[in-house]
Parts: sequence; structure tokens; C-alpha cells
Amino acid sequence: QLQLQESGPGQVNPSETLSLTCAVSGGSSDNYDYYWGWIRQSPGKGLEWIGSLFDSGSTYYNPSLKSRVTLTVGTSKNQLSLRLTSVTAADTAVYYCARQTYFYHSSGIRLPYYFDSWGQGSLVTVSS
Amino acid sequence: QSVLTQPPSASGTPGQRVSISCFGSTSIIRDFPVNWYQQFPGTAPKLLIHSNNQRPPGVPNRFSGSKSGTSASLAISGLQSDDEAVYYCASWDDTTSGPVFGGGTKLTVL
Repeated sequence: QLQLQESGPGQVNPSETLSLTCAVSGGSSDNYDYYWGWIRQSPGKGLEWIGSLFDSGSTYYNPSLKSRVTLTVGTSKNQLSLRLTSVTAADTAVYYCARQTYFYHSSGIRLPYYFDSWGQGSLVTVSS
Repeated sequence: QSVLTQPPSASGTPGQRVSISCFGSTSIIRDFPVNWYQQFPGTAPKLLIHSNNQRPPGVPNRFSGSKSGTSASLAISGLQSDDEAVYYCASWDDTTSGPVFGGGTKLTVL
């Protein structure tokens, strides 16, 4: 049974950097054949995709966050990390990590697809 | 405002069939598969339908998905009070090269 568990600071000061980790346990050895994504949800709002990565060579970011976001994954794919710089109150949200399947675009590129397992989420409040 | 448009709310009575729509542009729904997620208050979303109409293991067959052109629908038959949740559609946006979510539809069981 795959489990994902986010952990983070809970509160970050404006203009500083938000760092979150996601511990991945269970599942199987084919965890190497998935994308891993981050999604956030501001209080009372909908879901916003942050980014997805397969490995260091296949990373996709939401264009609205791309300049401030970095996603990394451990070599054994049992720890994911998200780094978001220069945060403001608008970055206050519940942050989810999730495993993501892929599909093949007509161009032949392997692209992130649906999120089939989610962590329980980590609330991050940006406030001084 | 999301590039995938959903009605903000929907409702039905127990036993009824309810449909939730999701409209997108040609660079999204028409050319790419649609997925649906269910979210209860205070919990993480859960995959409900993927690849337009495929149910993951454990999802009741009361839930079904369909797609036609630039729109998709989630149908729930035999509505139950436990179905009261927010439902999100999602697909791939070739313009931004990333997954996109609809704004969500809050389903109320009257």
C-alpha cells in the first residue's frame, strides 16, 4: 500500500523560502516508473497544480510558479522535495504530494497524467 | 479562473442521477483524456475516474465519466448522502504544458 506523507514548517515568513518534503513508503519497485507531483489548495479554493517530475531530466512546472519553484526527488524515489522562494500570503495553502501516472503525447513525449495516490496534505501559512 | 469550466454547484435527492459538466478548449479536453477527483472536506482529493471513463479499483460503478468534443461529464447514479463532496475535472493543457484542474463543483444531496 503506497503512502505519501508531507512534512513542512507550518508557517513561513513573507519573502522567505518554503520547503516541504514528502516521504514515500510502500508501493512497489515500479515507483520508478511514475511522475511525482505537487498540488496546492488555498483555503476555500480549488486545486492548483504546482509541478511534476519524473527524474531530473523530465520536470514540468506551472508557468505561474515556474520562476520560484524547484522540485527534486531522491535517487530511490522515497523522498520528494518542494522549494518555493519569495513567498507571499497568496502562497498560503494546503500542499499535497501525489504519485502521477504518465501518458504519451502525439509527439512521443511522456507527459504527467492523473494523480492516483495522494498524501494527506500539509498546511503552510505565510505570515509574519 | 480555470481553463476548465465547471458549475460551482449541483444538487440532487437520494436515488437520483446527477451529472456534472466540464468544458474546456480544443487544446485541452478535445485532444487529451479527462480525469475526475472527489474531495471531502478536510481530506485529500481521491481519483474517481481516469482516462475519460475508467474507474480505479474500489470506485462504485454508480460513478461514470464521458467525453465528447471539448466537454466532459461525470454522472452519479443512485445518489447517496455520502456522495456529498466537491468534484474536480482535470486534463492536460498543451498551451501551458501541464495538468489543469477545473474550479470544482460542490455536490449537495438534498
